[in-house]
Amino acid sequence: ETGVTQTPRHLVMGMTNKKSLKCEQHLGHNAMYWYKQSAKKPLELMFVYNFKEQTENNSVPSRFSPECPNSSHLFLHLHTLQPEDSALYLCASSQTGANEQFFGPGTRLTVL
Amino acid sequence: ELKVEQNPLFLSMQEGKNYTIYCNYSTTSDRLYWYRQDPGKSLESLFVLLSNGAVKQEGRLMASLDTKARLSTLHITAAVHDLSATYFCLLYTGGFKTIFGAGTRLFVKA
Repeated sequence: ETGVTQTPRHLVMGMTNKKSLKCEQHLGHNAMYWYKQSAKKPLELMFVYNFKEQTENNSVPSRFSPECPNSSHLFLHLHTLQPEDSALYLCASSQTGANEQFFGPGTRLTVL
Repeated sequence: ELKVEQNPLFLSMQEGKNYTIYCNYSTTSDRLYWYRQDPGKSLESLFVLLSNGAVKQEGRLMASLDTKARLSTLHITAAVHDLSATYFCLLYTGGFKTIFGAGTRLFVKA
């Protein structure tokens, strides 16, 4: 199993739908991250969890709701999204906040 | 305001030429990472720079970190087409905080 996996790889949803993105890491790391990569902005850090506890929330709208049930799994629950939320959502993990991050393949999200 | 400024944002170069990508930042830090991203793909780790004066080399790429100048460079030697990609610097700012540069889209022409 590769280091960091994400599902689904592609997702198309309407503005009234509810969906979830899943990330799993097989590296034994303690920290997990969600990033948003859109066409016209630099990669944006959204949330960070360390040992299942949220340590960073970069003013992300409440229509994005993260969940980290254990150090290996991270979810991003989506509801009532806007078209401008269409982006590539990347998950990453690291041993600690100061260590190199390893990225998953991303979920390409399109909001109609 | 914390800033990481990467330049150039776009670089088109001939095969065989040398060039440098710059990553300037506005706060103290002693850790910086370089990543590569191919179109439609995720980020691949290239270099981990952990202290002032750190220099790492892999093939045609060499990265360095000057924490006093708040500057990291990614130098490309004798570019080949396979190096075409987008390159990002990622600055560690403490705790669990990191900031990405905007990325440099590199195109190497045959």
